[in-house]
Amino acid sequence: GQQLNQSPQSMFIQEGEDVSMNCTSSSIFNTWLWYKQDPGEGPVLLIALYKAGELTSNGRLTAQFGITRKDSFLNISASIPSDVGIYFCAGQLKNTGNQFYFGTGTSLTVIP
Amino acid sequence: DVKVTQSSRYLVKRTGEKVFLECVQDMDHENMFWYRQDPGLGLRLIYFSYDVKMKEKGDIPEGYSVSREKKERFSLILESASTNQTSMYLCASSLVGGPGELFFGEGSRLTVL
Repeated sequence: GQQLNQSPQSMFIQEGEDVSMNCTSSSIFNTWLWYKQDPGEGPVLLIALYKAGELTSNGRLTAQFGITRKDSFLNISASIPSDVGIYFCAGQLKNTGNQFYFGTGTSLTVIP
Repeated sequence: DVKVTQSSRYLVKRTGEKVFLECVQDMDHENMFWYRQDPGLGLRLIYFSYDVKMKEKGDIPEGYSVSREKKERFSLILESASTNQTSMYLCASSLVGGPGELFFGEGSRLTVL
């Protein structure tokens, strides 16, 4: 199945720094989702986006649905040690209904 | 809150054994999915179901089967486990026609010896 292009693959940052990651696709998406996954655990939904241009926040996290509907961005402000984990994007293609497609993940390490 | 519960967090099985992974969701979602997650390969869809007794093959169905006898429950079956099926298995559910959100269970880490 289709995979989304997610970058960067990994990030090592100092506590307090801001983080930015993005996902791109060659196809138009109806929905963009952002997840965080801790080691050995299932992914937890952080933010869901439904409209082109939409900007949504969840605490220190902000995500945007790209205007072209082919990309999305996740920003984390003022990172803290518990932000460590793997973040990945997911989306539903326009007019396909049931299936979801996933990014390859960004591994975030926060150095105290 | 939506809750997707996977019955076993950790399993160790021997080659050739039959393995059942159970998943239950409590939000009346029509769609249920089974994925496996491996380092460097991301999430890969094994099977999904959009209604009771309905199932569709995903990208990697070989060696697996599924059962959906009740709307809330979706089972993944490994008829004869092999070492290359050692993986993290994730169940997920979503609402048909809903806002497009997908909710995952906690995952089942299967090791086949």
